[in-house]
Amino acid sequence: SQTIHQWPATLVQPVGSPLSLECTVEGTSNPNLYWYRQAAGRGLQLLFYSVGIGQISSEVPQNLSASRPQDRQFILSSKKLLLSDSGFYLCAWGKGLGGELFFGEGSRLTVL
Amino acid sequence: GDSVTQMEGPVTLSEEAFLTINCTYTATGYPSLFWYVQYPGEGLQLLLKATKADDKGSNKGFEATYRKETTSFHLEKGSVQVSDSAVYFCALTIGGGADGLTFGKGTHLIIQP
Repeated sequence: SQTIHQWPATLVQPVGSPLSLECTVEGTSNPNLYWYRQAAGRGLQLLFYSVGIGQISSEVPQNLSASRPQDRQFILSSKKLLLSDSGFYLCAWGKGLGGELFFGEGSRLTVL
Repeated sequence: GDSVTQMEGPVTLSEEAFLTINCTYTATGYPSLFWYVQYPGEGLQLLLKATKADDKGSNKGFEATYRKETTSFHLEKGSVQVSDSAVYFCALTIGGGADGLTFGKGTHLIIQP
């Protein structure tokens, strides 16, 4: 069966520090991969998605970036965090057939 | 663009009450529709889905029917339990969804014993 893991689960970072969140999928090949952000009271915002290695589509211009160095690995990064980057970050995968996505456990980022 | 509108709540009900969470959508094409559930501190879990008009998705006592004429996908459950307390998200995608799902803002459901 397929599984998805993301880490770290919780992160507290000062403003201006770098960020790296990692996500890996097991049990499937060539998945579509996604990063969403969930801010308090604002629902889910799609940040990036990828349909293959090295292919990244950005939905929202900001100081975050994403990379896909391997087929089942998706990384969310920032060089300098802002207070507004605080939130709950969710990685997801899908195959694009039925349209449904499968989510990881989430990473809670607090920027102080 | 495509969008999903749902009541935000919180919605507070007593155990064994009937639940309805409204969801309506706007889409340029013919969407597939989903309900996801998020328990505190966790990621989202797919609850049910429907891919064409008049389809009924169901799971764990929850149901939702794809109504094209009213562009709606309301979530219902006949008798809720305390364990159903969570945030529920309605979502859509067009054409297989390689570019992801569009979500509503979520409805916080609280079930009191």
